[in-house]
Amino acid sequence: AQRVTQPEKLLSVFKGAPVELKCNYSYSGSPELFWYVQYSRQRLQLLLRHISRESIKGFTADLNKGETSFHLKKPFAQEEDSAMYYCALKGAGNAGNMLTFGGGTRLMVKP
Amino acid sequence: DVKVTQSSRYLVKRTGEKVFLECVQDMDHENMFWYRQDPGLGLRLIYFSYDVKMKEKGDIPEGYSVSREKKERFSLILESASTNQTSMYLCASRPRGQMNEQFFGPGTRLTVL
Repeated sequence: AQRVTQPEKLLSVFKGAPVELKCNYSYSGSPELFWYVQYSRQRLQLLLRHISRESIKGFTADLNKGETSFHLKKPFAQEEDSAMYYCALKGAGNAGNMLTFGGGTRLMVKP
Repeated sequence: DVKVTQSSRYLVKRTGEKVFLECVQDMDHENMFWYRQDPGLGLRLIYFSYDVKMKEKGDIPEGYSVSREKKERFSLILESASTNQTSMYLCASRPRGQMNEQFFGPGTRLTVL
């Protein structure tokens, strides 16, 4: 079975501070991992995916297969980063249609 | 621009009522999904459909059923609503292909009294 764990329900930082939102997964195969974000009063949207190895809005995430982690990082948080963040795992085969989401972490960036 | 719409933003129903939640996407996507979103539990998949008239159970299908008669429309049905089905319901769609992202609707907040 595949599982995604986000250990922090709430993360509060000051503007300009570094941010790391933790994500751990369990999956027996080769995982595809994503970060989705939901800003206040907006719909859930894709932030980034590990296979793209991209930086979006200053955020990066590296897949660490040894630690089964996919933590989301940003060196300098901005107030507009305040949102709900979900880590998600996609399986293979028919289950590849399914995303398994973590419980989410609410990021609050204080001025 | 992908558009996923849901029939209602807010819905209040009574215990035992039959409830229909509708989702429509305008981008000819093969895959459609229904999730419920609860604080601390994240998103949990109820059902998904990979083609017209095809459906697969997700992680929490009990108490729900779905219908996909047309490619663009995916309906979630609560046969007899219960208070523990009070939640935010999110619909999503995704085109065929393993690399493609899911696009979400705005959500329907359902309250069952």
